[in-house]
Amino acid sequence: QVQLLQSGAEVKRPGSAVRVSCKVTGGTFSTHTVTWVRQAPGQGLEWIGGIIPIFGTINYAQKFLDRVTITADDSSSTVYMELSSLTPEDTAIYFCAREVDRYNTSPGWLDPWGRGTQVTVSS
Amino acid sequence: QSVLTQPPSASGTPGQRVTISCSGSGSNIGKNYVYWFQNLPGTAPKLLIYKNDQGPSGVPDRFSASKSGASASLAISGLRSEDEADYYCASWDDSLSALVFGGGTKVTVL
Repeated sequence: QVQLLQSGAEVKRPGSAVRVSCKVTGGTFSTHTVTWVRQAPGQGLEWIGGIIPIFGTINYAQKFLDRVTITADDSSSTVYMELSSLTPEDTAIYFCAREVDRYNTSPGWLDPWGRGTQVTVSS
Repeated sequence: QSVLTQPPSASGTPGQRVTISCSGSGSNIGKNYVYWFQNLPGTAPKLLIYKNDQGPSGVPDRFSASKSGASASLAISGLRSEDEADYYCASWDDSLSALVFGGGTKVTVL
């Protein structure tokens, strides 16, 4: 059974960066896209981007293109999402989720999800 | 402003049927699959429907969905108190090269 284990809550200052990790256990790592989605307080779901480790292919949402980096470490089956130049508007729960189909053939078919990582940006 | 448009709220009494719409365009729903997620505040979203109308194992068959053209809908029949949650549609958008979500619909059980 595939599980996604996310790193713990973070509190950051404006202008700094945060790195959130997502470890995939119980299933094949490299052939399935891992996607990052965030949810700000009282807001909806927002796609940040995703990576398929076997190809190293990464897609980013236009909104985050200049300040997000998603990487994958095959040796530890872990995906990282780093967001820089943080502002209070980046305060949100950050979720990772795994695409069910291999090779990015069904973007959006996300199951399972990690439990989320609370990132708070405050001075 | 979400790329996919959902009504902000929907409601019904226990046992009733509630329908949530999701409107997109030819570059997303019109060309790609639609997915539906249930989200309780502070928890991870849960996949309800995949590939337009397929229910994962473990999801009650009270949840059903359909797609026509550039629009989709989710129906909850036999509404129960535990169905009170936010519901989101999602689809890949070829023009944006991005996964897009609806703004979410809050379902209230009266």
